[in-house]
Amino acid sequence: QSVLTQPPSVSGAPGQRVTISCTGSSSNIGAGYDVHWYQQLPGTAPKLLIYGNSNRPSGVPDRFSGSKSGTSASLAITGLQAEDEADYYCQSYDSSLSGRYVFGTGTKVTVL
Amino acid sequence: QVQLQESGPGLVKPSETLSLTCAVSGYSISSGYYWGWIRQPPGKGLEWIGSIYHSGSTYYNPSLKSRVTISVDTSKNQFSLKLSSVTAADTAVYYCARRVLEGAFDIWGQGTMVTVSS
Repeated sequence: QSVLTQPPSVSGAPGQRVTISCTGSSSNIGAGYDVHWYQQLPGTAPKLLIYGNSNRPSGVPDRFSGSKSGTSASLAITGLQAEDEADYYCQSYDSSLSGRYVFGTGTKVTVL
Repeated sequence: QVQLQESGPGLVKPSETLSLTCAVSGYSISSGYYWGWIRQPPGKGLEWIGSIYHSGSTYYNPSLKSRVTISVDTSKNQFSLKLSSVTAADTAVYYCARRVLEGAFDIWGQGTMVTVSS
């Protein structure tokens, strides 16, 4: 069971803006650990989308943006495109249980 | 560019040891970074298994620590995973990945499906 909670699904029409929340606690996001986001297309490995809360690796469109506040973080996708239909996961570090990297429960984005 | 490739048996019997190797190309493991293993059961989310530095320093997910061993072979530019006493719950796609300073995994292998079944 993950310590980072995400909504199971979000959807939007092409061109719209959608946001995905990632809720943690005082032992992970709230403790100041960075949040990272991944996109996983069907049948493929996860791809790093956002690192260090709000930074985009080279090649990631600026339609994707990340933010963090308190014990939560968010991923926003603006100008939603059909190719954005995928699963999205947040990830951070949790200092409980001797420390471990943790992933969110995952969110399926559907483009209507 | 940096590439990672997992290899190993796709079928392991219950109670036996799962063994996988991740070959790294385009970058020397000895140059730095942590390298890790992450798994994903069918239809489920991601779970970090553990990570290793080129020096051999390791750290594991506490929930798997008693069964996991990760090692590195810098001469072959690869690192390996061993998971002992496997059960059906260990059936998953296993990924190897590179961990950057901020704690994110920036480069992933394509993943290899391992099924635990008699």
